[in-house]
Amino acid sequence: DTGVSQDPRHKITKRGQNVTFRCDPISEHNRLYWYRQTLGQGPEFLTYFQNEAQLEKSRLLSDRFSAERPKGSFSTLEIQRTEQGDSAMYLCASSAGDRDNYGYTFGSGTRLTVV
Amino acid sequence: AQTVTQSQPEMSVQEAETVTLSCTYDTSESDYYLFWYKQPPSRQMILVIRQEAYKQQNATENRFSVNFQKAAKSFSLKISDSQLGDAAMYFCAYAYNNNDMRFGAGTRLTVKP
Repeated sequence: DTGVSQDPRHKITKRGQNVTFRCDPISEHNRLYWYRQTLGQGPEFLTYFQNEAQLEKSRLLSDRFSAERPKGSFSTLEIQRTEQGDSAMYLCASSAGDRDNYGYTFGSGTRLTVV
Repeated sequence: AQTVTQSQPEMSVQEAETVTLSCTYDTSESDYYLFWYKQPPSRQMILVIRQEAYKQQNATENRFSVNFQKAAKSFSLKISDSQLGDAAMYFCAYAYNNNDMRFGAGTRLTVKP
């Protein structure tokens, strides 16, 4: 297992287009998280899954955003009708979710630029 | 709501010297986790050190150690014998009850040769 993988690494899209990002977590990890990070800021929580169940969504996750984790493995994050304010780094992380091994492993992120 | 505050946007240190990065947090919980993450330029976030709130002993990982003051809700990171490779953004983070992690705004550390 090579860690958390995110695809693509970079995405440039025109305003109004839809984009989809993929995250492949560490295979033994049952929890998967999506964060958004703008330049010079810390990651902001968007949503997380335990297995295939989406357990929490941030207020930052507007109706244009949707995330899925079918079968509790990889996850996708879709942004519809992109806006310039959506430009950011989208980070995925996974964790085992147990008390004795608590901590996230992050992917390298997908940098989205909306022009 | 839990918040994490890093009051030092930027810090610099001379190579081989020691630097301390500050972090405070706000919570009403008694059992939680605190973390320091390192994010080098254009690279992924890496866990540096973690502290469980119910443990009084400060965590250490080689050159990295923390000063955890639970009553003051303070969680500072000390980097000893600083190396050029330590240059990065450092984020303090809080997590409670296996929920999602909340991050501070970060401190950019520069290491001068």
